[in-house]
Amino acid sequence: GESVGLHLPTLSVQEGDNSIINCAYSNSASDYFIWYKQESGKGPQFIIDIRSNMDKRQGQRVTVLLNKTVKHLSLQIAATQPGDSAVYFCAENRSGNTPLVFGKGTRLSVIA
Amino acid sequence: DAGVIQSPRHEVTEMGQEVTLRCKPISGHNSLFWYRQTMMRGLELLIYFNNNVPIDDSGMPEDRFSAKMPNASFSTLKIQPSEPRDSAVYFCASSFADRVTEAFFGQGTRLTVV
Repeated sequence: GESVGLHLPTLSVQEGDNSIINCAYSNSASDYFIWYKQESGKGPQFIIDIRSNMDKRQGQRVTVLLNKTVKHLSLQIAATQPGDSAVYFCAENRSGNTPLVFGKGTRLSVIA
Repeated sequence: DAGVIQSPRHEVTEMGQEVTLRCKPISGHNSLFWYRQTMMRGLELLIYFNNNVPIDDSGMPEDRFSAKMPNASFSTLKIQPSEPRDSAVYFCASSFADRVTEAFFGQGTRLTVV
């Protein structure tokens, strides 16, 4: 079936270290891949997206890598801070204006 | 802009009662989405609208669920009758139709059906 999934349900990192959150997908036809962050008691918040014809995109302290060969997506957070503690979801967008399909999420805990 | 506004934030109701969840999207956005979040199933799309018109409601669990968008600034999700298995957090999100990757979510409504 077509789905977006995650390798690890939880991830603990030391403050100041880099974090890597991974995601596997199965739909090769998706146009965009996206990362969202959800803090406790809040709705998901857009972090960064990457188009399927790219393999890397950088934002502020975050980098998304896309490996289409193995259908793998990752989110790298540099110098992780306590405020980065949240659940991170990868999502896919099949084409222009179709809704996002979300994976189950990875909980990131930052240890001070 | 205050962002996507959902009400109520919390709702506790008895099985069999009607529940109405409300959403005010961000002004100017022309796509609106209703998602449901549970621990077991994660974030599931229920229905979405483009320019106030329902496009895909295949995610609506059953006929007990209905959604409307009478105008560009308001949408409702109704459950009648409610059942305990409907307990979840319901999110409304909005975006520009040509930029759905960057959807803005409300704070959600936590529904508990007892």
